[in-house]
Amino acid sequence: EVQLVESGGGLVQPGGSLRLSCAASGVTFSSSFMHWVRQAPGKGLMWVARINSAGTTATYAESVKGRFTVSRDNAKNTLYLQMNSLGVEDTAVYYCTTEAPYTLHFDNWGQGALVTVSS
Amino acid sequence: DIQMTQSPSSLSASVGDRVTITCRASQSVSTYLNWYQQKPGEAPKVLIYGASTLQDGVPSRFSGSGSGTDFTLTIANLQPEDCATYYCQQNLRTPRTFGPGTKVDF
Repeated sequence: EVQLVESGGGLVQPGGSLRLSCAASGVTFSSSFMHWVRQAPGKGLMWVARINSAGTTATYAESVKGRFTVSRDNAKNTLYLQMNSLGVEDTAVYYCTTEAPYTLHFDNWGQGALVTVSS
Repeated sequence: DIQMTQSPSSLSASVGDRVTITCRASQSVSTYLNWYQQKPGEAPKVLIYGASTLQDGVPSRFSGSGSGTDFTLTIANLQPEDCATYYCQQNLRTPRTFGPGTKVDF
């Protein structure tokens, strides 16, 4: 059974930083492209970032480019999202997902980590 | 970026009804279109990928169709557990944009 478990969420002041982790099991993590998707309270889903299986290429939504960095440690089966210069608009539940090969849909999701940016 | 729209934004139905949700892309995405279901307090889960392929374990009352810019998700014989918000998503281009969602309740 595939499990994705996010951690590292919490309350942070505007301008602060936070790092999310996503621990994967039951999946060949080192072969999987991974994504972060977020959902602001009461709002829809927004794609945030993607990283390839080797960790050498990352792509970001315009709204987080230059502030967020996605990385991975394939030896630890763990995905990360470093978030800097956080604003209130970044308040959301952050989900990590796996990308199915060939069909590219998001086939497994974590339970989400809540990030609240507030003074 | 490819913009995704959905209609209706919400609907109220009854058990046993046939429900259709429409998704439109701002440019052709071929069949690179997925549907996700999200229940309150839960993570989304994929129902249909490639516009019409049912994910393993998803009940056969769910079906998808379409290609290019216009897509539909149909729920035949609506069940109480289908109360949820449904999102379409294109995966032809990055950013992998989602539609705004359609809330289905009773």
